[in-house]
Amino acid sequence: QSALTQPASVSGSPGQSITISCTGTSSDVGGYNSVSWYQQHPGKAPKLVIYDVNSRPSGVSNRFSGSKSGNTASLTISGLQAEDEADYYCSSHRRDLAVVFGGGTKLTVV
Amino acid sequence: QVQLQESGPGLVKPSETLSLTCAVSGYSISSAYYWGWIRQPPGKGLEWLGTVYHSGSTYYNPSLPPLNSRVTISVDTSKNQFSLKLSSVTAADTAVYYCARSLYSGGFSYFDYWGQGTLVTVSS
Repeated sequence: QSALTQPASVSGSPGQSITISCTGTSSDVGGYNSVSWYQQHPGKAPKLVIYDVNSRPSGVSNRFSGSKSGNTASLTISGLQAEDEADYYCSSHRRDLAVVFGGGTKLTVV
Repeated sequence: QVQLQESGPGLVKPSETLSLTCAVSGYSISSAYYWGWIRQPPGKGLEWLGTVYHSGSTYYNPSLPPLNSRVTISVDTSKNQFSLKLSSVTAADTAVYYCARSLYSGGFSYFDYWGQGTLVTVSS
């Protein structure tokens, strides 16, 4: 059982927007702005797409955005493209000096 | 360009110790970042094992005993690399093991550079 809760799967059509939620507690997501999101294509290493809740690394499309409300963080991908189909993981710092991941969400672009 | 590369045996026998090394290039391991190990069992999600700073300070996953008592992470600044040892392995430790660079800013913030990952299979 993962420390952070994500939906197992989401889907959307090209051009649409989707949002993936990541629910934790006040000891992790709700207590820190250290929430990050990773994109992972099959057989590849995870790639950072959002850090510190809503910041984008250089080179990541501005179609990716992040937010947080209380103990729940969210990743929104707008203008869905076929290349966005991948697994997405959230992560957060936790009060006991740990890193926690969500269980992952499989995004299907139909 | 920061690059990380894992190396080590791809097959380990049950009850033995898994040992992996992560060689860092393009960045000094003695600078301001932290260095972590994350694993991913086949078909499953990511699991943080632990993180080390160049001073030798270590942080381990406290949520999976007895995992945290089997994990040792160390750093070798002279070789610009860090290492993972996992003792008394079982089939449940079969996974792709990743090393990654981490920033600490009011908390462990994110992993921005990752190695390609190395599959370690535990089997006799």
